[in-house]
Amino acid sequence: DAKTTQPTSMDCAEGRAANLPCNHSTISGNEYVYWYRQIHSQGPQYIIHGLKNNETNEMASLIITEDRKSSTLILPHATLRDTAVYYCIVRVVSGTYKYIFGTGTRLKVLA
Amino acid sequence: GAVVSQHPSWVICKSGTSVKIECRSLDFQATTMFWYRQFPKQSLMLMATSNEGSKATYEQGVEKDKFLINHASLTLSTLTVTSAHPEDSSFYICSASSFSSGTSGSRTYNEQFFGPGTRLTVL
Repeated sequence: DAKTTQPTSMDCAEGRAANLPCNHSTISGNEYVYWYRQIHSQGPQYIIHGLKNNETNEMASLIITEDRKSSTLILPHATLRDTAVYYCIVRVVSGTYKYIFGTGTRLKVLA
Repeated sequence: GAVVSQHPSWVICKSGTSVKIECRSLDFQATTMFWYRQFPKQSLMLMATSNEGSKATYEQGVEKDKFLINHASLTLSTLTVTSAHPEDSSFYICSASSFSSGTSGSRTYNEQFFGPGTRLTVL
């Protein structure tokens, strides 16, 4: 199963863009990259996912490098409510299509 | 996104008792449900995967006789922690997923939607 590595923690000023990197150098050609976030004592919340093209939705943008070995989640204008643990996940595309969670990045948005 | 609920949201029980946690997909039919546990300040650890109408697939190191999983319908899965002990105290989270059928019988598995979690404390 492809593994992901993320920085343990990051700080971001409120109103600024938060750029969260993820390394997934062993990703296979048909494996998707998913991003979720978990606010304290809640279930993870889906943010965005992609295969090889950059993606954007109302919450965030996902930039995937051409070799697909890394990606960056961008929160364009971070707010205090974006303080959470952000997980980058590579989804297994066979069998049960399960997620393998890494350690995540604890993002703290500062006022 | 789709809504997944869990019940109860928290439970306290005595050592040796069994506890059942329900996971429901409220607005879609979930062909697959997943059960995770999370210890404080740690990431989610997948325990098992259940497909509607079939036996659950457990991850290595997870005792299937200890953690009984039933997925009897497309909207409900249950996790029963049998003979609970203090070391079973944890945050249990479920997720639900479905797939879309494409041409030539191909399937596209959709993202997992997570429940709010159940905090179990065993005294």
